[in-house]
Amino acid sequence: AQSVTQLGSHVSVSEGALVLLRCNYSSSVPPYLFWYVQYPNQGLQLLLKYTSAATLVKGINGFEAEFKKSETSFHLTKPSAHMSDAAEYFCAVRTGGGNKLTFGTGTQLKVEL
Amino acid sequence: GAGVSQSPSNKVTEKGKDVELRCDPISGHTALYWYRQRLGQGLEFLIYFQGNSAPDKSGLPSDRFSAERTGESVSTLTIQRTQQEDSAVYLCASSSLGGSYNEQFFGPGTRLTVL
Repeated sequence: AQSVTQLGSHVSVSEGALVLLRCNYSSSVPPYLFWYVQYPNQGLQLLLKYTSAATLVKGINGFEAEFKKSETSFHLTKPSAHMSDAAEYFCAVRTGGGNKLTFGTGTQLKVEL
Repeated sequence: GAGVSQSPSNKVTEKGKDVELRCDPISGHTALYWYRQRLGQGLEFLIYFQGNSAPDKSGLPSDRFSAERTGESVSTLTIQRTQQEDSAVYLCASSSLGGSYNEQFFGPGTRLTVL
């Protein structure tokens, strides 16, 4: 069965610092992986997705993620954090037929001045 | 519409009452999903519709939960005899399976509070 694990339920960075949010997956088949962001009082928004093309995936708002099969990881990064990046981030893997998603427990990103 | 919409945005109910939550997907999206997000937890899959049929109901937590979809459009999630543990944000998403690898578009959710 496919699953994802997000290490760190809360991450705090300074404005301008590197953002690194960790996601490890477990999948018996080549996975489709996703990062979603949830701003306060809003629905989830797709940041980026990996669908077996390029291993380095670029998304919106300057985020990117690298698929590493050897490490079963799909960590999300951004070179320089901005205050507006403060939100909750969810990693997800497509699970089985019907394209349902299995989500990680989320990482709350705090950006400090 | 431009996006997925859900109603009501907030619902407060008393334990034991029934509630109905509505989802309007993006026009033309054949797939529709319901998820639940309890406080401090990730999203849990509840049910998936392809058209008006539900090939995957594996996430429904009990027989108090049911959902239907009509006209390959609107979906209603019904919770009977609500319990306090049903308190959560219920999220709906839709996607076009012929499109870009299951990009699911999410609504803003319905926050359900069971007193």
